[in-house]
Amino acid sequence: AQSVTQLDSQVPVFEEAPVELRCNYSSSVSVYLFWYVQYPNQGLQLLLKYLSGSTLVKGINGFEAEFNKSQTSFHLRKPSVHISDTAEYFCAVRSRGNEKLTFGTGTRLTIIP
Amino acid sequence: GAGVSQSPSNKVTEKGKDVELRCDPISGHTALYWYRQSLGQGLEFLIYFQGNSAPDKSGLPSDRFSAERTGGSVSTLTIQRTQQEDSAVYLCASSSGLAGARTDTQYFGPGTRLTVL
Repeated sequence: AQSVTQLDSQVPVFEEAPVELRCNYSSSVSVYLFWYVQYPNQGLQLLLKYLSGSTLVKGINGFEAEFNKSQTSFHLRKPSVHISDTAEYFCAVRSRGNEKLTFGTGTRLTIIP
Repeated sequence: GAGVSQSPSNKVTEKGKDVELRCDPISGHTALYWYRQSLGQGLEFLIYFQGNSAPDKSGLPSDRFSAERTGGSVSTLTIQRTQQEDSAVYLCASSSGLAGARTDTQYFGPGTRLTVL
């Protein structure tokens, strides 16, 4: 079985400040990890993914995430946020050999001008 | 088309009626997925199709839910005798179907918002 925990349901951040959105996962086998973003009234868009190799992955819109196997984490970071980053962010895991994505409950990022 | 498309974008129905939701995957993608996004349950996997293989139906919440995929492309999700708890956004995704490949990312459609009165 696989599971994802996003502890922060809402994160308010001032514009141009850095942000970290936390994600922890659980799986008995190797995993692929993803971050998706959902802008208001839109579908899910892939931000970045970790499949293998370098543990630091860079995605679109200046986001990056680091895979930490020992801590079973895949936290999302951005050094300086913009108003346009206001959205809901979902962390997801897919175990090798399993086609289903299991999502966390999402973190709503609100940027304060 | 360039991305996954879904129709209708919004559907309002009365309790007890049947509904059909449609998904057009990205051209050439052999894998297709349905998920449901609701306030109480978050994003849940429903069903997965891969090529001509038998679908993985393990996420369907009840026997009122069914899905088919015709010709390996378009998929229809059918909910019979709808209940108020079926109200949610139903999301479709597709991927190349190459399990384990670096390009095997699921691309999502905009969703169908279903409201059961």
